[in-house]
Amino acid sequence: AQSVTQLGSHVSVSEGALVLLRCNYSSSVPPYLFWYVQYPNQGLQLLLKYTSAATLVKGINGFEAEFKKSETSFHLTKPSAHMSDAAEYFCAVSPYNTDKLIFGTGTRLQVFP
Amino acid sequence: DAGITQSPRHKVTETGTPVTLRCHQTENHRYMYWYRQDPGHGLRLIHYSYGVKDTDKGEVSDGYSVSRSKTEDFLLTLESATSSQTSVYFCAIRAPEKDYGYTFGSGTRLTVV
Repeated sequence: AQSVTQLGSHVSVSEGALVLLRCNYSSSVPPYLFWYVQYPNQGLQLLLKYTSAATLVKGINGFEAEFKKSETSFHLTKPSAHMSDAAEYFCAVSPYNTDKLIFGTGTRLQVFP
Repeated sequence: DAGITQSPRHKVTETGTPVTLRCHQTENHRYMYWYRQDPGHGLRLIHYSYGVKDTDKGEVSDGYSVSRSKTEDFLLTLESATSSQTSVYFCAIRAPEKDYGYTFGSGTRLTVV
């Protein structure tokens, strides 16, 4: 079965530091991949998505992710963290030729001044 | 943005009672989804629909049923609520479908006492 793994349920960084949130998927055929952000007591907002076009995907709020087929990874990065980036981040996969969106367990990002 | 509304936003109910949550969309999209969100589990798919009267099970469908008699409404019913169904429930639509964009509602916080 298709799955997605997020390494690290909590990540803490200082303001201005690099943000790296890890996501690996299991699939023999490259799926569509997504990153969502959830701020406290809110719904989910799409950050970016990979749908088999460019492997380096740029999203909102300065985030980007790189699809690496050889590593089955889709890690999310941001060069310089801001206090407003503190939230929970979810990686999700839509397996090839299905109508489903499957989520990882999430990573909570804390940003310290 | 696709209009998607969930109701109610909050509900407290007693064990053993039936509960229905409603998801309403305004833009006639074919695919609709129900997820539950629990700490440590991310979002898990309960049921989804690919058209009027066309539904299918997700990974955590036991104890839940759905109905879609109109394109715009997707109802989730807990036939006999249990404490394990205390959760935050999110509805999603795939919009626009060709671009694999999923949009989420604001969620319903359900507490079963």
